[in-house]
Amino acid sequence: QLQLQESGPGLVKPSETLSLTCTVSGGSINTYNYYWGWVRQPPGKGLEWIASLHYNGNTYYNPSLQSRITMSVDTSRNQFSLRLNSVTAADTAVYYCARRNYYGSGAYDSWGHGTLVVVSS
Amino acid sequence: DIQMTQSPSSVSASVGDSVTITCRASQGINRWLVWYQQKPGKAPKLLIYAASSLQSGVPSRFSGSGSGTDFTLVISSLQPEDFGTYFCQQAISFPLTFGGGTRVEIK
Repeated sequence: QLQLQESGPGLVKPSETLSLTCTVSGGSINTYNYYWGWVRQPPGKGLEWIASLHYNGNTYYNPSLQSRITMSVDTSRNQFSLRLNSVTAADTAVYYCARRNYYGSGAYDSWGHGTLVVVSS
Repeated sequence: DIQMTQSPSSVSASVGDSVTITCRASQGINRWLVWYQQKPGKAPKLLIYAASSLQSGVPSRFSGSGSGTDFTLVISSLQPEDFGTYFCQQAISFPLTFGGGTRVEIK
């Protein structure tokens, strides 16, 4: 069964860089049908799509965050990562990594448990 | 960007009731509409994709319909475990966008 697990610091200082990694187990990132991505949810609020990446390197970013985001993949470790620069309190959220069935349903069909990142000095 | 608008923002219903949630897209998305259920402290769970296709393992009391700009999620006989927040998401184009959510409470 596919599992996704987010990891990274739970506290980041303003203006610094948020770095998260998602480790995929029970399946390979090198699967044509799927994109891998990040979705965040500020406390008590709705869901915001951040970015999506295919193992072949195709990457899509939310335009509202594009200038601050980098997403990358390490197929040898079956991991993908997110870097968000110049964070502010508005970036405080639960960050989820997830798998999207891009060439099928278009839906996120597997999710990590989520990791809370707080931006505070 | 395609804006997704859900209504109502919250609903309270009794066990056995039928609950209807609507989602409107700011432009046509054919049937590229997804529904998720989220419980407090948990990740979203895929319920329905392609507007009306039930994800494997999801109870048949959940159903979806619609195409173009207007979509509906119906819970036909509300069960205690159906509490939570429901989100729609358009899957036709980047940036992917979600509705604001509908909180379902059991009376």
